[in-house]
Amino acid sequence: DTAVSQTPKYLVTQMGNDKSIKCEQNLGHDTMYWYKQDSKKFLKIMFSYNNKELIINETVPNRFSPKSPDKAHLNLHINSLELGDSAVYFCASSSGPFPSYEQYFGPGTRLTVT
Amino acid sequence: GQNIDQPTEMTATEGAIVQINCTYQTSGFNGLFWYQQHAGEAPTFLSYNVLDGLEEKGRFSSFLSRSKGYSYLLLKELQMKDSASYLCALNNAGNMLTFGGGTRLMVKP
Repeated sequence: DTAVSQTPKYLVTQMGNDKSIKCEQNLGHDTMYWYKQDSKKFLKIMFSYNNKELIINETVPNRFSPKSPDKAHLNLHINSLELGDSAVYFCASSSGPFPSYEQYFGPGTRLTVT
Repeated sequence: GQNIDQPTEMTATEGAIVQINCTYQTSGFNGLFWYQQHAGEAPTFLSYNVLDGLEEKGRFSSFLSRSKGYSYLLLKELQMKDSASYLCALNNAGNMLTFGGGTRLMVKP
């Protein structure tokens, strides 16, 4: 059973398009995250939601909009895609928003913008 | 602000011991994590240190010195499957992790 799942696994699209990445966790966790891992392998937090409420919003362009319809889902919508958006996007979850909770990562979505 | 430094690459021999260092500067500290990431896969949790000292978990151990801004991950009895990137991550507030660039470990026969 997959704990944190993401769809699609690969996404190739052209500049200017709008796309969404979906994330679901079946761990019963309250907190979910989106990370971006660039070509240099740096993993950076983008957003964090706790019980469907946004609690962390790092410096991310407004073209990125997370949506959490319920605690088990955190989707990422990206408008007007740019070349620099090409990266691997990881969804993650943890049982709470406190420092000691380990995060469980999804398999990643490799986004390529051409 | 925060800064996390770890070596980019390391090579070690199967069966040996390897130590991966991580140094950091931060204005607040709520714990330090180590994650393992195999190529093309998701990061997976290895260890968490919030107090000074050594945490041992099987073949892997992690050490923390808060006064020195220093941590290391020790891998014993290296196996080929340990070839991966090892990410040091700092938790400075809430549950926001700041990751280092990772250390790519190559284990050779």
